[in-house]
Amino acid sequence: QKEVEQNSGPLSVPEGAIASLNCTYSDRVSQSFFWYRQYSGKSPELIMSIYSNGDKEDGRFTAQLNKASQYVSLLIRDSQPSDSATYLCAARDQGAQKLVFGQGTRLTINP
Amino acid sequence: DVKVTQSSRYLVKRTGEKVFLECVQDMDHENMFWYRQDPGLGLRLIYFSYDVKMKEKGDIPEGYSVSREKKERFSLILESASTNQTSMYLCASSRVLQPQHFGDGTRLSIL
Repeated sequence: QKEVEQNSGPLSVPEGAIASLNCTYSDRVSQSFFWYRQYSGKSPELIMSIYSNGDKEDGRFTAQLNKASQYVSLLIRDSQPSDSATYLCAARDQGAQKLVFGQGTRLTINP
Repeated sequence: DVKVTQSSRYLVKRTGEKVFLECVQDMDHENMFWYRQDPGLGLRLIYFSYDVKMKEKGDIPEGYSVSREKKERFSLILESASTNQTSMYLCASSRVLQPQHFGDGTRLSIL
């Protein structure tokens, strides 16, 4: 199993709906997780961090961490066309300062 | 606001040339990273540094070297550029145990 895995998509969601992005991880990463958004041709931008089991909300974004099942999710409520991007899940490497990134999920919000 | 500045947005070089990519951060971050990003391969870590004059190999260090003489500056060096090093290069920085912030990227073409 890869350390951090994401479904590469593409994921297509109608405008106004909830977009759900998922990421699973192995025991080889620590319990700090990050979601980055990357628009085409641009660099990744940090949108959420989560360190504890449960939900963390920030505006239309909710990150969910389930340590027992080893998955982390990002929910985007009231999806907008401007949310169309690739979303990267990342986890901190055990005992190190570097991050391990998933392959990214390409999300398209259809008007 | 964190600012990570990469010296060039676009760069075209010839095979065999020695190429320097520069990255500067203005937030006194301890850690700095160099990645390359290619379609279908995701983000791959080349080198990182957790202190001045310190460096660690990432997942794909072959053909690259780095230099960190000052805390704010991290340089990536392609010793003898080859066409398979054509890619998007991303620099990032972070505090210890904090998420990474990325520069705008350098799209490098080796002809």
